[in-house]
Amino acid sequence: DGGITQSPKYLFRKEGQNVTLSCEQNLNHDAMYWYRQDPGQGLRLIYYSQIVNDFQKGDIAEGYSVSREKKESFPLTVTSAQKNPTAFYLCASSKEPGLPSTDTQYFGPGTRLTVL
Amino acid sequence: AQSVAQPEDQVNVAEGNPLTVKCTYSVSGNPYLFWYVQYPNRGLQFLLKYITGDNLVKGSYGFEAEFNKSQTSFHLKKPSALVSDSALYFCAVRDGYNQGGKLIFGQGTELSVKP
Repeated sequence: DGGITQSPKYLFRKEGQNVTLSCEQNLNHDAMYWYRQDPGQGLRLIYYSQIVNDFQKGDIAEGYSVSREKKESFPLTVTSAQKNPTAFYLCASSKEPGLPSTDTQYFGPGTRLTVL
Repeated sequence: AQSVAQPEDQVNVAEGNPLTVKCTYSVSGNPYLFWYVQYPNRGLQFLLKYITGDNLVKGSYGFEAEFNKSQTSFHLKKPSALVSDSALYFCAVRDGYNQGGKLIFGQGTELSVKP
């Protein structure tokens, strides 16, 4: 988990509210990623960013939004359009995406979001 | 399309015995393969990866994995299991020919090591 911080650790949201999950890294990594983890389903990619001010949709982007204004920060907003947002959210980063020696992804400790 | 399969949802091993967690993959090009471990309510920790070269890869905490191209497998192994190895293990693959390719994860295998 070292070098990547996520906050808060636990987050509770009422239906209809938008919430923003924080992800910060001090590893000087170029790429950052957001995954969603549900029991028995492994990790699914929501959004990723290979460079500042650019990001791409992953496999399950609907109902989520991101920004990448700074290299070290990649916040994720879970909007009210996300039908089933209760899950464990994991942020990751890698040094240089696409280069085999440096594209290992390292993960933060996660945020558990619960919709009440 | 890329895919990863972890055929066992759970593996039970006695402490001191060898352990194997299975993983098979499918990619169109050369595979980049990874193993991660997750403890309860924590993020994933990187264990080891195969990019090229020696088929036997050694990683953290005494774990190793063997790349078998003909069987498209990348099984995780440890000669002597510890109770503290009990956790959720994920295999992941990326297509090495696709530089912008995403990392695809298996569904995970729960390893339980009993004293």
